[in-house]
Amino acid sequence: AQKITQTQPGMFVQEKEAVTLDCTYDTSDPSYGLFWYKQPSSGEMIFLIYQGSYDQQNATEGRYSLNFQKARKSANLVISASQLGDSAMYFCAMREGGGTYKYIFGTGTRLKVLA
Amino acid sequence: DAGITQSPRYKITETGRQVTLMCHQTWSHSYMFWYRQDLGHGLRLIYYSAAADITDKGEVPDGYVVSRSKTENFPLTLESATRSQTSVYFCASSESLRVEYFGPGTRLTVT
Repeated sequence: AQKITQTQPGMFVQEKEAVTLDCTYDTSDPSYGLFWYKQPSSGEMIFLIYQGSYDQQNATEGRYSLNFQKARKSANLVISASQLGDSAMYFCAMREGGGTYKYIFGTGTRLKVLA
Repeated sequence: DAGITQSPRYKITETGRQVTLMCHQTWSHSYMFWYRQDLGHGLRLIYYSAAADITDKGEVPDGYVVSRSKTENFPLTLESATRSQTSVYFCASSESLRVEYFGPGTRLTVT
């Protein structure tokens, strides 16, 4: 069965430093997609980055990169040069392939960026 | 305005009442989704739709009904609201399944 685990309920990082948010997953499907979303205190869900299981390179989007280690089933989000506006809840999510659109989310990591 | 909208943004209702949450997207995305977000559970998929007139159950469908007669609309109905359905509801749409766009959410309280 699908499973997403985010083991860090909360994290602190100093402004301008890099931070890694952990995500491990479990699936028996060889085709899947991994996602990271940001949820600020205002409540909206903001898509950050996507990694497909067959993608050869780790995904990057601006200051966000996904450290994809397939054998370890991990998909950690790296935020470089943290900004105060990065303070938010971050969710890892997975969607399996094979014609199913079911999407499961982790329980999230709350990141606080310190000035 | 282009994008995905939800209405109402806030709703208080009584146990046993029927409630419909609306979702509208202007991109003509094929896929649409309804999630609920509760503390400690992240987001959980209620229902999804791959196209107009095609819907299927997600992880927590009991007590909910959906329809999709038009590509751009995906209403979610709580047939007889219960207190356990108090939650924040998010609608989302996607074309490629590599990116999913979320609406602003509806905060529903069932008293």
